[in-house]
Amino acid sequence: DIQMTQSPSSLSASVGDRVTITCRASQGISNYLAWYQQKPGKVPKLLIYAASTLQSGVPSRFSGSGSGTDFTLTISSLQPEDVATYYCQKYNSAPWTFGQGTKVAIK
Amino acid sequence: EVQLVESGGGLVQPGGSLRLSCAASGFTFNGYSMNWVRQAPGKGLEWVSYISSSSSTIYYADSVKGRFTISRDNAKNSLSLQMNSLRAEDTAVYYCARSTSYYDSGSYRYYFDYWGQGTLVTVSS
Repeated sequence: DIQMTQSPSSLSASVGDRVTITCRASQGISNYLAWYQQKPGKVPKLLIYAASTLQSGVPSRFSGSGSGTDFTLTISSLQPEDVATYYCQKYNSAPWTFGQGTKVAIK
Repeated sequence: EVQLVESGGGLVQPGGSLRLSCAASGFTFNGYSMNWVRQAPGKGLEWVSYISSSSSTIYYADSVKGRFTISRDNAKNSLSLQMNSLRAEDTAVYYCARSTSYYDSGSYRYYFDYWGQGTLVTVSS
């Protein structure tokens, strides 16, 4: 099975900073990559699918890029409400594997 | 408004059984495939099982294969997960999640666009 590895596992940044999270697949998955945000104590929420397509209602400060094995989620200007754990997920085929998560905090 | 409401969680002894349900509303249930995803306390997300809209295609994670059974009742807009031979490592919040699909490069591709609030399953003696 394809493994998904995120880095870093956690990060701390200041409000207004640009934040980048990386997700790497152990084999090529084209652009079949989604990103989810899970705020503390809340349900996961879809942010991005097809590696770079923003889900309706998601703020434009979030963006995604990549194809094949290497992907990034970028928050262009970190806001206090972005404190959360972010997960990537491959969906080219079963199993629908998630990355281990990246916890984002405010410095 | 899409709503997914899980129920059936609770405390069960190792080796026991539990049946989870997910009640769907706000969309045409029989037009969507569905999933169960779990999250152990303080841990990440783990996909558990998938069922197509007509129940014709079913997948399981290796960790639950042979012990869990997914099913759906399109007449009742309901998704279920029968969990048998439960182990301590099955302790988690279980979410039902809707799949939205698109056709690309010869296959349908499914990502998860709506999630329920989850139900906690605790396996302990």
